[in-house]
Amino acid sequence: DGGITQSPKYLFRKEGQNVTLSCEQNLNHDAMYWYRQDPGQGLRLIYYSQIVNDFQKGDIAEGYSVSREKKESFPLTVTSAQKNPTAFYLCASSIAGVNSPLHFGNGTRLTVT
Amino acid sequence: GDSVTQMEGPVTLSEEAFLTINCTYTATGYPSLFWYVQYPGEGLQLLLKATKADDKGSNKGFEATYRKETTSFHLEKGSVQVSDSAVYFCALSDQTQGGSEKLVFGKGTKLTVNP
Repeated sequence: DGGITQSPKYLFRKEGQNVTLSCEQNLNHDAMYWYRQDPGQGLRLIYYSQIVNDFQKGDIAEGYSVSREKKESFPLTVTSAQKNPTAFYLCASSIAGVNSPLHFGNGTRLTVT
Repeated sequence: GDSVTQMEGPVTLSEEAFLTINCTYTATGYPSLFWYVQYPGEGLQLLLKATKADDKGSNKGFEATYRKETTSFHLEKGSVQVSDSAVYFCALSDQTQGGSEKLVFGKGTKLTVNP
């Protein structure tokens, strides 16, 4: 079955360390997205990519970086510059274009202490 | 900018009760409207959508009607089950301003259904 795989499900890091969250999709979708979910705040867009080798900042890109070297992969790096990195991170993909529904992975819960 | 406002939760119901989760929106263009559902420990799944005024989206017994005159897209279900316990997100996508990167989510409403 096609889908989006995020790994790992739980991730623990010490403050000051960079950490990379994996996102892989086999849906052949052009567009991929990273969201951050915090309790009571809904979803906020970090970065998105509509095509390989191109990506755009979302609403809360500071302290994060991404790459899109392959169509099926869109890893997110949480850098030490991110002031409050502990959160639930969701990756999604869609067919490029308007009204396309998002397909989400099951998320990675990152805890930084 | 565009925004979505959902009724605050949590909402707790008994099995077979009627469910309404209110959602209103503000948009400058002509948005499409969505409801997503998030079960515990999982990502979001599309529940239903409507792309123009007066459209009704429906799935798994849930319904929502796109009401342009009241800028609303309330989610309803006639008889909830324990398995409906989840967080529900209302969202809009302004189709005149780009693709799914312009999807705006509400803050979510947690529903708990007791047996």
